[in-house]
Amino acid sequence: DTEVTQTPKHLVMGMTNKKSLKCEQHMGHRAMYWYKQKAKKPPELMFVYSYEKLSINESVPSRFSPECPNSSLLNLHLHALQPEDSALYLCASSNPRPFNEQFFGPGTRLTVL
Amino acid sequence: DQQVKQNSPSLSVQEGRISILNCDYTNSMFDYFLWYKKYPAEGPTFLISISSIKDKNEDGRFTVFLNKSAKHLSLHIVPSQPGDSAVYFCAASRRDGQNFVFGPGTRLSVLP
Repeated sequence: DTEVTQTPKHLVMGMTNKKSLKCEQHMGHRAMYWYKQKAKKPPELMFVYSYEKLSINESVPSRFSPECPNSSLLNLHLHALQPEDSALYLCASSNPRPFNEQFFGPGTRLTVL
Repeated sequence: DQQVKQNSPSLSVQEGRISILNCDYTNSMFDYFLWYKKYPAEGPTFLISISSIKDKNEDGRFTVFLNKSAKHLSLHIVPSQPGDSAVYFCAASRRDGQNFVFGPGTRLSVLP
């Protein structure tokens, strides 16, 4: 299984809603990532988990809250988002090091109204 | 300040010819480089990588060249096929980190 899955594929939410994005991989990777991608822009790293511990937080606002319940799962909890947070949210996984490529999921297209 | 640059937003190539996508970086601490391909509505797909101890890596139709002194790498696709039409991202990383920095991407169109 060389796939990273993400649910849901699309999500529309209001600014007062609480929702979660989910990511799963069964490749035995011990590093998992959340990226945000706006239209016609490259993916921007948000968070990195290594061995289920948060290792990188790229100064992401607290309305985004990541969680890594186990080595196969990664969640992104969303609360009080702004319309400018609308984007494609990509999950990726890899072996922590050295020099291992990241496998990306298809993304969740988020729209904040 | 963009640490990874892809100065050509788009490139069109005839089927069967060579596609050359370029990438420049500014951070001399980067020592691992990757190319990803992205179709619309899909996540990026890993294509090929190169570490700074090499200057060339080849995988089938794809070859990546690294010029460390110029802080420049390029991806060659030969022969180009219509299915190669996609956005190609260059990404770079430091040996001590997992923080891959992506370039802005180049949209490749391979014309039949």
